[in-house]
Amino acid sequence: DQQVKQNSPSLSVQEGRISILNCDYTNSMFDYFLWYKKYPAEGPTFLISISSIKDKNEDGRFTVFLNKSAKHLSLHIVPSQPGDSAVYFCAASPNSGGYQKVTFGTGTKLQVIP
Amino acid sequence: ETGVTQSPTHLIKTRGQQVTLRCSSQSGHNTVSWYQQALGQGPQFIFQYYREEENGRGNFPPRFSGLQFPNYSSELNVNALELDDSALYLCASSETGKGGRAFFGQGTRLTVV
Repeated sequence: DQQVKQNSPSLSVQEGRISILNCDYTNSMFDYFLWYKKYPAEGPTFLISISSIKDKNEDGRFTVFLNKSAKHLSLHIVPSQPGDSAVYFCAASPNSGGYQKVTFGTGTKLQVIP
Repeated sequence: ETGVTQSPTHLIKTRGQQVTLRCSSQSGHNTVSWYQQALGQGPQFIFQYYREEENGRGNFPPRFSGLQFPNYSSELNVNALELDDSALYLCASSETGKGGRAFFGQGTRLTVV
């Protein structure tokens, strides 16, 4: 049972344009959402997060949007840069503190073309 | 400030053997989680340790066990290895109350033959 779904295994975007990565979840108990970026031969690196009490969170070029009614979140990268090429994982947790079982999606491989 | 380090980076074991993977947490972090990442999949939560006690477990059998030490470093032990245990094993450390934001090590690639 895949509770966090990333339906696009890959995405190609021109440098300077917007990258939009999507994620859907099924578990209503998820209360906190995160995006991680992973380069080959490295562990995932935390990128940005959002609590369910918000619908948007920005950090520089990265913005995460949350639509709780649709159980959908997206990561926008503007402008996209070649160094953004990596696998992006969406993740969800039932709470923001304490016990933190985090459920990951299967990832979307982003390629930013110079 | 040191990051999360895992050892070894690669390991080959025979089916039925036992393996121990090690993780040093980031300085100041008291929580460590272990994940299994199969090829083409996202990391799957194995278990989490907080102050030397297991405080959460995913859908993994009891032959997956762990330890956390007073210095917050950790071990993952897998007994009776199966071919399907071949995967990248990731350790992540975090501070309690930091919203699941974790710092990952580079992982240990385990191959069971």
